[in-house]
Amino acid sequence: AQKITQTQPGMFVQEKEAVTLDCTYDTSDPSYGLFWYKQPSSGEMIFLIYQGSYDQQNATEGRYSLNFQKARKSANLVISASQLGDSAMYFCAMRGPTISGSARQLTFGSGTQLTVLP
Amino acid sequence: GAGVSQSPSNKVTEKGKDVELRCDPISGHTALYWYRQSLGQGLEFLIYFQGNSAPDKSGLPSDRFSAERTGGSVSTLTIQRTQQEDSAVYLCASRLDRGYTEAFFGQGTRLTVV
Repeated sequence: AQKITQTQPGMFVQEKEAVTLDCTYDTSDPSYGLFWYKQPSSGEMIFLIYQGSYDQQNATEGRYSLNFQKARKSANLVISASQLGDSAMYFCAMRGPTISGSARQLTFGSGTQLTVLP
Repeated sequence: GAGVSQSPSNKVTEKGKDVELRCDPISGHTALYWYRQSLGQGLEFLIYFQGNSAPDKSGLPSDRFSAERTGGSVSTLTIQRTQQEDSAVYLCASRLDRGYTEAFFGQGTRLTVV
């Protein structure tokens, strides 16, 4: 079974500073995908960034980057130059390969509530 | 349509009544997920449809919950004999069943059981 752990229920960051949101995962599959989603107070789920287990480089997408440490099974999200609009709930998620039964699910962590302070 | 569409956006129902929630995925997306999110909580997996394969129902909390997907497109989540603990936002997501493409979410249906 796959599991995602986000140990920070809430985080605060000063506007324009960088922040790291932690995510660790557990899976027995050698192939998997890791995702980060943002959920503002409006409730919509917004895809931010993806990292494949076999990707050699850390994923980056604008101000978002993923600090992927495969041996430690961690996939932390780094947001650079935080903006007030970044205040939201952030979820880490994982999906296993298509043929591996329940690992086809997209499994989410419990989320981290990020508040950007002016 | 351009995105995942869910209806209704809000539903208030009396305890004991049945409700149906609808999800219209992005055209061409063969994978479809249903999740439940209680206030301030994470996403609880309910059910997953992938093409013509048997659905993964392992997340359905009780036999009062069921879902179907007709013609590989629209999906309906049915909750029978609703209970107050069923109150939550029900989210639907779809994705291309190709590699590790991201899932796109609908706006959700907020269900309130009174």
